[in-house]
Amino acid sequence: NAGVTQTPKFQVLKTGQSMTLQCAQDMNHNSMYWYRQDPGMGLRLIYYSASEGTTDKGEVPNGYNVSRLNKREFSLRLESAAPSQTSVYFCASSVKLNSPLHFGNGTRLTVT
Amino acid sequence: AQSVTQLDSQVPVFEEAPVELRCNYSSSVSVYLFWYVQYPNQGLQLLLKYLSGSTLVESINGFEAEFNKSQTSFHLRKPSVHISDTAEYFCAVSDQGDDKIIFGKGTRLHILP
Repeated sequence: NAGVTQTPKFQVLKTGQSMTLQCAQDMNHNSMYWYRQDPGMGLRLIYYSASEGTTDKGEVPNGYNVSRLNKREFSLRLESAAPSQTSVYFCASSVKLNSPLHFGNGTRLTVT
Repeated sequence: AQSVTQLDSQVPVFEEAPVELRCNYSSSVSVYLFWYVQYPNQGLQLLLKYLSGSTLVESINGFEAEFNKSQTSFHLRKPSVHISDTAEYFCAVSDQGDDKIIFGKGTRLHILP
């Protein structure tokens, strides 16, 4: 089983560029999440999707947009990248409300 | 809003010694609690969880955590650590009825030979 797959693994952007981080899960999970991980800050929730067709803001949504394309896929878009968005981004999914998260291996993004 | 505090950013401990990683959360009526582990250059993996029932939960690799409602704590313990336990450990909490899982800032466990 692939589990949660994130692409790309690494990305370097210049300030002002846009990009979309892709995430797909093959576990038939209802809920999907995007977190960012920064040194000393732990994981912070950017956006989440409780079920197909719904999305909600997390702790740090500014500068990001998401799309729950279908039950399997949940993408994160940076419209105009900023150096403050340099981070490791993790996608996760879960069966239902409050159930344990399954994480992808992360995307390391650098904005110069 | 729910919050999680991991007081220790780093914990050094000698191999085969016991360890406790502390986690406190803001009070709520009912919560779900989790510990995740992140090995170097990997994503996070679930270590153990408390959803209901027995307040003492165990993982397959010798870790255990106890839910203490009065102290709003969910500390992680292991009686004897190994080099392979070197990792960063994250405590996480979710209010029942809320879809968000909030993480602490993590505790890096350093095993000394």
